[in-house]
Amino acid sequence: DAGITQSPRHKVTETGTPVTLRCHQTENHRYMYWYRQDPGHGLRLIHYSYGVKDTDKGEVSDGYSVSRSKTEDFLLTLESATSSQTSVYFCAIKGQGEGYTQYFGPGTRLTVL
Amino acid sequence: AQSVAQPEDQVNVAEGNPLTVKCTYSVSGNPYLFWYVQYPNRGLQFLLKYITGDNLVKGSYGFEAEFNKSQTSFHLKKPSALVSDSALYFCAVRGPTEGNNRLAFGKGNQVVVIP
Repeated sequence: DAGITQSPRHKVTETGTPVTLRCHQTENHRYMYWYRQDPGHGLRLIHYSYGVKDTDKGEVSDGYSVSRSKTEDFLLTLESATSSQTSVYFCAIKGQGEGYTQYFGPGTRLTVL
Repeated sequence: AQSVAQPEDQVNVAEGNPLTVKCTYSVSGNPYLFWYVQYPNRGLQFLLKYITGDNLVKGSYGFEAEFNKSQTSFHLKKPSALVSDSALYFCAVRGPTEGNNRLAFGKGNQVVVIP
């Protein structure tokens, strides 16, 4: 699992509340990614980071923000959760010197009621 | 823009029979291609990749994939399927001009191996 952990692993929250998901890696990887997985849509990129304080939007970034204040942690925040953000969220890193291969964390299942 | 198509939602195969999961891609230039597998309630696991060289790539768990540039395809294959191969399979691509090491993933194929 490339030393990637995600927390929490499961969360149930209510519409309108802020939610922060954490991705932690132990191998000093520069590139980190947040995806969401939904049936019929596969994996879609939300945001990614190419270094400390360097982040950019993916294809489904509306309603999400990210922060990376240190190499090992990449945080995904839902500013005001909506039911459409009910999903499974995966963090990934790009392996160093491995031809762009990404390795994934175990995922966080988020339910917004 | 880079993209991947996985035309079949589900593939059913009898145990012991050959398994094929289809993937076609669209990029400008030479692609980097990947296959991942996801078992229930788990993250995606890397299976294999094609960057350059031999068109037949061998990966984990007895899987292989064949890169076909003229057909823009990268089909995943296994000669003899096992029940434990039942999972969700994702194809992914990166085009050579894509910035910041982003991959585009397909929608996934559910593989069901019937005992």
